[in-house]
Amino acid sequence: TQLLEQSPQFLSIQEGENLTVYCNSSSVFSSLQWYRQEPGEGPVLLVTVVTGGEVKKLKRLTFQFGDARKDSSLHITAAQPGDTGLYLCAGMGIGGNQFYFGTGTSLTVIP
Amino acid sequence: GAGVSQSPSNKVTEKGKDVELRCDPISGHTALYWYRQSLGQGLEFLIYFQGNSAPDKSGLPSDRFSAERTGGSVSTLTIQRTQQEDSAVYLCASSMRGGAVTQYFGPGTRLLVL
Repeated sequence: TQLLEQSPQFLSIQEGENLTVYCNSSSVFSSLQWYRQEPGEGPVLLVTVVTGGEVKKLKRLTFQFGDARKDSSLHITAAQPGDTGLYLCAGMGIGGNQFYFGTGTSLTVIP
Repeated sequence: GAGVSQSPSNKVTEKGKDVELRCDPISGHTALYWYRQSLGQGLEFLIYFQGNSAPDKSGLPSDRFSAERTGGSVSTLTIQRTQQEDSAVYLCASSMRGGAVTQYFGPGTRLLVL
């Protein structure tokens, strides 16, 4: 099992604040994905990163894959209540065919 | 609907009983995954089907768990002699192929073992 640790586990912030969620592992991944999950629903893919050092932006969300492809971060600028949810990272091992999911970060944005 | 569907949405059973959970993937998707999620936690990989290849069963927690995928489409996850620790949300996902592509998740089946 390739363990992916996410931090923080819980985060509660005011609308308009910025935040960063981290996803760390001792393993190297061929690709890494970020998902958001809302209560009662399945996760929905936000982004896939495949190249070490890669940065992708999705509106107010910025995703970065570490140079060594062992870690990733998600930065949200000017958080809104609609950003509330469980954020999950998932890494695919080298030569693998399955994703290993992180422990999750539960974000609450207070209006 | 064009999404992944799962049934039942909720299941309450007694310890020791068998349960079957169903997943209908998106039409044409060759890859299908089953995951287990405890309350507010990350997803635990259970099993992966890809086309006609032998499934990757490396995530199944015990021999009480099994899964089938008939005709390359519908999949059933069976848990025999359920235990209280089996209580969780069971999520199914499908994708056009294996690898680093988008997985589309169903809403999950919430299983409670009393």
